[in-house]
Amino acid sequence: QQQVKQSPQSLIVQKGGISIINCAYENTAFDYFPWYQQFPGKGPALLIAIRPDVSEKKEGRFTISFNKSAKQFSLHIMDSQPGDSATYFCAASKSSARQLTFGSGTQLTVLP
Amino acid sequence: EAGVVQSPRYKIIEKKQPVAFWCNPISGHNTLYWYLQNLGQGPELLIRYENEEAVDDSQLPKDRFSAERLKGVDSTLKIQPAELGDSAVYLCASSLQGGAEAFFGQGTRLTVV
Repeated sequence: QQQVKQSPQSLIVQKGGISIINCAYENTAFDYFPWYQQFPGKGPALLIAIRPDVSEKKEGRFTISFNKSAKQFSLHIMDSQPGDSATYFCAASKSSARQLTFGSGTQLTVLP
Repeated sequence: EAGVVQSPRYKIIEKKQPVAFWCNPISGHNTLYWYLQNLGQGPELLIRYENEEAVDDSQLPKDRFSAERLKGVDSTLKIQPAELGDSAVYLCASSLQGGAEAFFGQGTRLTVV
């Protein structure tokens, strides 16, 4: 059973544009929602994370929006740059279990 | 500060052969994870250690996979015998005990031929 659904599978954005990736989860016990960035041949790197007590978190050009009632969260990348081209994974976990359940990934391409 | 170190980076073996992967977590991180990442998919947890104790190994195929974390620091993941379907990237991650943030190594890409 896929507990975290991620869309779109791939995304192409022009430089300077906004990239938006969406995730939906099923398990209401999840209380930690990170986003990871992965470049080819590298391991996933933590980008930004949010807990359900806030609806939005911003770090630089990256923003997480969280909708607890809809069980959805999204990553917004403002002023997208070619260097942002990578695969992005959303994930979710229960603090008690600390097992990350990952989405299927979004391959982002930012055109120069 | 060094990150999570994994070796080897790449491994090609014939089916039915054994293979082992090694992981050195970030210093001070008591929690260690092994994840499996198939091509085009997100990582999936195989096993989680708290110090030297495997506290979650429910998704580890125990008929052919084994893991150990002696002295609560480095860890080794073994597959014996390997099957074609085991071809994937094996990722190690670590975190502070009680911490939510997991830091990943670069992974070992296994190809079984």
